[in-house]
Amino acid sequence: AQSVTQLDSQVPVFEEAPVELRCNYSSSVSVYLFWYVQYPNQGLQLLLKYLSGSTLVESINGFEAEFNKSQTSFHLRKPSVHISDTAEYFCAVSSTGNQFYFGTGTSLTVIP
Amino acid sequence: KAGVTQTPRYLIKTRGQQVTLSCSPISGHRSVSWYQQTPGQGLQFLFEYFSETQRNKGNFPGRFSGRQFSNSRSEMNVSTLELGDSALYLCASSGWTGPNTEAFFGQGTRLTVV
Repeated sequence: AQSVTQLDSQVPVFEEAPVELRCNYSSSVSVYLFWYVQYPNQGLQLLLKYLSGSTLVESINGFEAEFNKSQTSFHLRKPSVHISDTAEYFCAVSSTGNQFYFGTGTSLTVIP
Repeated sequence: KAGVTQTPRYLIKTRGQQVTLSCSPISGHRSVSWYQQTPGQGLQFLFEYFSETQRNKGNFPGRFSGRQFSNSRSEMNVSTLELGDSALYLCASSGWTGPNTEAFFGQGTRLTVV
């Protein structure tokens, strides 16, 4: 069985401060992990994904996530957040077929 | 390259009615999945269609059904609507080649049941 736990439902952070959004997973098979972002009244957009190889994965807009197999975690980090990063962030693990198991989401609010 | 298109964007229905939602995937993608998003339950998988066949199904009652056409467009139908069916319904398109394949989501259909 596969599942994802996002430990923080809401994370407020000041602009230009660092942030970490936590994600833990449970999977009995090979792990493929994803972070998606959802802006208000929008669908989900892929932020980054871990497939294999290097445990540190980076996105084009400054986010990064580190796959830690021993701690079964895939935390998302950004060293300096912007107002435009305010959104809902979802961690997900994929399964057979085009099926994802999503966490409950973390609402990131960047405070000016 | 056009993205995933879901129609309509907003829908208001009365309890007991039925509704059909549509999803046009990215050109060339043969896999379409549907998710229900609510504040209380989060994102829950409904079902997936691949090349016109249902390949996976989530834990939803039989009132929720779907189909996929030869052009990969997919429809989702909900019969005998209940208040609890109010949600954002998201469609995800994938050029699926394995569980490491990302999905592209549409903007969703916001269904309100009154």
